[in-house]
Amino acid sequence: GDSVTQMEGPVTLSEEACLTINCTYTATGYPSLFWYVQYPGEGLQLLLKATKADDKGSNKGFEATYRKETTSFHLEKGSVQVSDSAVYFCALLQGAQKLVFGQGTRLTINP
Amino acid sequence: DVKVTQSSRYLVKRTGEKVFLECVQDMDHENMFWYRQDPGLGLRLIYFSYDVKMKEKGDIPEGYSVSREKKERFSLILESASTNQTSMYLCASSRTEKETQYFGPGTRLLVL
Repeated sequence: GDSVTQMEGPVTLSEEACLTINCTYTATGYPSLFWYVQYPGEGLQLLLKATKADDKGSNKGFEATYRKETTSFHLEKGSVQVSDSAVYFCALLQGAQKLVFGQGTRLTINP
Repeated sequence: DVKVTQSSRYLVKRTGEKVFLECVQDMDHENMFWYRQDPGLGLRLIYFSYDVKMKEKGDIPEGYSVSREKKERFSLILESASTNQTSMYLCASSRTEKETQYFGPGTRLLVL
């Protein structure tokens, strides 16, 4: 079945460092891909999405590009802030209304 | 903005109790979902509904039931709570099956 694999966490960085959180997927068709973020004590918020190959999603300085050839959707940010500390989930949606999530990556940014 | 609200942020129940978790969305979305979130497992789909009075099982429906009597409201029911149902429960909604799902703040349930 469809699946999403994220890099193991937790990830700890200093403020202004570069961030990459890896995400790869397995799917039989052409899914839409998402990054959701969960701040402490809150539900999930959509961070960005891409619906077809080579699309780039971006929001709040984060970017991810849908790479069909490598089945990847890595999350990147050039300069992280303390306020980016959260858990990040990669997910895919393919028909059947069902989002398939990765296990989540906890990110902590130190001042 | 889409707003999805859940009736409680924190809930403590005893084993064997019947538990109701309520979710309401204000955007006239067709689809609604219940997930549970556990450390290291991400989110797993319990049930979803694509219309009033319609429901479909997700990946882990055992021990749960749902009710959707009105379009804006989707309830998750634990008929007889057990300790392995201690978890964070997240509700979501989407306008159509292919569109973005919007999540509520979650209910953290502790079953003693």
